[in-house]
Amino acid sequence: DAGITQSPRHKVTETGTPVTLRCHQTENHRYMYWYRQDPGHGLRLIHYSYGVKDTDKGEVSDGYSVSRSKTEDFLLTLESATSSQTSVYFCAISWMGAEAFFGQGTRLTVV
Amino acid sequence: AQTVTQSQPEMSVQEAETVTLSCTYDTSESDYYLFWYKQPPSRQMILVIRQEAYKQQNATENRFSVNFQKAAKSFSLKISDSQLGDAAMYFCAYKRGAQKLVFGQGTRLTINP
Repeated sequence: DAGITQSPRHKVTETGTPVTLRCHQTENHRYMYWYRQDPGHGLRLIHYSYGVKDTDKGEVSDGYSVSRSKTEDFLLTLESATSSQTSVYFCAISWMGAEAFFGQGTRLTVV
Repeated sequence: AQTVTQSQPEMSVQEAETVTLSCTYDTSESDYYLFWYKQPPSRQMILVIRQEAYKQQNATENRFSVNFQKAAKSFSLKISDSQLGDAAMYFCAYKRGAQKLVFGQGTRLTINP
């Protein structure tokens, strides 16, 4: 299995609080992604990174920010969590022309 | 923007029979990759099969095979000799080079014993 670790695996937070999810890889892959999964929508891309300090927005980036200060870590931050951000979040890693490998997901509940 | 469409939200099949899951995509590119991922109740995303667009031969992995029709932009997954462990959500996905992986909405496959 690809070395990807997401933390935390589960989190319950209150509306309006900041939340940070962490993705850590041991594969030294260049590309890292954050997706959210909701029923009926498949996986939708939030943000992705193509190198240290190089990030770009995906299709559902509003309300989310990311940072990548080193190759192995990609952080997703919800600046002020809302109930619409209740979801399962997946991190993925990839390299040029290849499939993505996924972490085990983080279930986030905003109450 | 590239889009991926899975028109079958749910499918069911009898154990040991064959089932085909459909996927269509929209792209103006000629060089890209297509994938099928399986997501069992454990939530883990598992790569089932991949297809390079420049290859005319359809990919196969044991009981899993694809029917890749590049001109029609169609990429269906055939599961032969279905097993109870094949029950899962299946996602079709598209990727071009270093760009993002784009997913379809998924098909929930049920295996009837």
